[in-house]
Amino acid sequence: DTGVSQNPRHKITKRGQNVTFRCDPISEHNRLYWYRQTLGQGPEFLTYFQNEAQLEKSRLLSDRFSAERPKGSFSTLEIQRTEQGDSAMYLCASSFPFGGYTEAFFGQGTRLTVV
Amino acid sequence: KQEVTQIPAALSVPEGENLVLNCSFTDSAIYNLQWFRQDPGKGLTSLLLIQSSQREQTSGRLNASLDKSSGRSTLYIAASQPGDSATYLCAVRLVGPGGTSYGKLTFGQGTILTVHP
Repeated sequence: DTGVSQNPRHKITKRGQNVTFRCDPISEHNRLYWYRQTLGQGPEFLTYFQNEAQLEKSRLLSDRFSAERPKGSFSTLEIQRTEQGDSAMYLCASSFPFGGYTEAFFGQGTRLTVV
Repeated sequence: KQEVTQIPAALSVPEGENLVLNCSFTDSAIYNLQWFRQDPGKGLTSLLLIQSSQREQTSGRLNASLDKSSGRSTLYIAASQPGDSATYLCAVRLVGPGGTSYGKLTFGQGTILTVHP
């Protein structure tokens, strides 16, 4: 499978615990994005990497959230001290701006439930 | 701030009907626009991408048009089938410095489509 891969697919955690999600982009894609989607809403942008550099962060990304992309390959999104409001689908996408043609490809998402 | 609106929020049609989903955006300085499909509890599947210089794109029974000056895009689905039932999302990517694209997409809230036999 050469698509975007996200793990785990589902995560249930108790409030106050830390969680970490992983995203493996399409291998030749240098851009990687994280989005969050709550029920009945469209995805909202969280952060963006070009290679290993984090170039943009949304105000939605509070100080409890941190994302990394070491060596410009896979990325991790960590949420510390989870709150019930963090319950959502976390989506990862990747792209490669070939010839100015930028199309994003999404993974299947990680569904987080904070109880 | 770019805002994207999709109308209608939900649509229920009988199988075989042709239908149109609408997307409007407030900032016309877009780099491109992408239509996605999302099945319940799943990720997003890219359907069509329209560059800002294009007027439309077609893939099978799907046709997407773009009128950048009026801030509108439509997704036309011909001869709808029950398997088309899903949420359809429109997303725009803004032009950045030097005419390149920003990384992020701004999404609408989606149109929930139900096609019944």
